[in-house]
Amino acid sequence: EADIYQTPRYLVIGTGKKITLECSQTMGHDKMYWYQQDPGMELHLIHYSYGVNSTEKGDLSSESTVSRIRTEHFPLTLESARPSHTSQYLCASSDHGLAGANEQFFGPGTRLTVL
Amino acid sequence: SQQGEEDPQALSIQEGENATMNCSYKTSINNLQWYRQNSGRGLVHLILIRSNEREKHSGRLRVTLDTSKKSSSLLITASRAADTASYFCATGGGNKLTFGTGTQLKVEL
Repeated sequence: EADIYQTPRYLVIGTGKKITLECSQTMGHDKMYWYQQDPGMELHLIHYSYGVNSTEKGDLSSESTVSRIRTEHFPLTLESARPSHTSQYLCASSDHGLAGANEQFFGPGTRLTVL
Repeated sequence: SQQGEEDPQALSIQEGENATMNCSYKTSINNLQWYRQNSGRGLVHLILIRSNEREKHSGRLRVTLDTSKKSSSLLITASRAADTASYFCATGGGNKLTFGTGTQLKVEL
């Protein structure tokens, strides 16, 4: 079944640790996105990719980095986690849009807590 | 600044009542989308309305778009407890979406 997956769902980690949040989709979508969302707040785009070897920074500055070596995989890495990185991270993907943005499909999210 | 802002920020209604949420945006758009987010989960796409459309229906959902006022509304008719969630509007351009601040809807039995 075509879907988008994120692991882990929850992560509690100490300051200074390196972490990688995984995102995979089996829908064959070219475009993938990472959003950051604090509880009860709006989503902020932090990274996006239009295809393999394409990565762009989003509207909200983030210390995280991403890579897109395979179409289906779009991991996000924090080299040194800090308490300010505590948030929910949502991954999404979409197909080509003929005019404007197409529907985005979201993963379940990773709730990160940095102690 | 946020492209989309929803109001109200929170809404509590009884099951069976209708719920209306509004979204305002700032710049010209190609389309506007509405998403739902259950607590602690990812977003689910509900409906997309293009800039040349004024109204669109999907099941119990009705969306209107007024490009002259840069506003949209989402109406959920005959609400159910399962409709309890946060609802976000999103405007698109260049294959990116900008999300609004969201309306938290609570439907009580």
